[in-house]
Amino acid sequence: GAGVSQSPRYKVTKRGQDVTLRCDPISSHATLYWYQQALGQGPEFLTYFNYEAQPDKSGLPSDRFSAERPEGSISTLTIQRTEQRDSAMYRCASRDRGGETQYFGPGTRLLVL
Amino acid sequence: SQQGEEDPQALSIQEGENATMNCSYKTSINNLQWYRQNSGRGLVHLILIRSNEREKHSGRLRVTLDTSKKSSSLLITASRAADTASYFCATDAGWDNAGNMLTFGGGTRLMVKP
Repeated sequence: GAGVSQSPRYKVTKRGQDVTLRCDPISSHATLYWYQQALGQGPEFLTYFNYEAQPDKSGLPSDRFSAERPEGSISTLTIQRTEQRDSAMYRCASRDRGGETQYFGPGTRLLVL
Repeated sequence: SQQGEEDPQALSIQEGENATMNCSYKTSINNLQWYRQNSGRGLVHLILIRSNEREKHSGRLRVTLDTSKKSSSLLITASRAADTASYFCATDAGWDNAGNMLTFGGGTRLMVKP
């Protein structure tokens, strides 16, 4: 596609519910990243994929967070049993193999009530 | 946790003036990148400077990098109201660091008054 897309753009949920966020990277980009951005802060790394492999999950805040990229293209980030502290902007980025620039999607703003 | 600090946290200037933002970081890097975030919008890549470069220009943007001091600056010349945004520096420490993940600073909020 022309750019990185994410859906939904906004998600309001109640505490305890599960949510799944979707990222559609630039086609053919090998590497995909997920970041979490709290209000007034810079993005923080959650996890990344190289094709379908997920070599690093070190940034995931708890085992309630999980991500998948089963076919090496679209990725989902799932948060189980959401808590109010999970409220943030979730950003996805992709990078071409050998490239240096990460291209970010518009983000999904999650609000947990 | 954030890689480093950005300074100032907020900056307010008049249209036509220059804006300078500084970024410090903590570890060795492959490159350093600057991004802009408009209110309610995504992160837009502005410019990238590699660790073996000292200065780079792109339009009204000038970036410097001092690896001995682990610091960078972004200069926006002849600012416009449309430059109002948050600006973030981000460091890439290489493939072995979570596949070239970016570590962001806290950002500088720039307001350009018409």
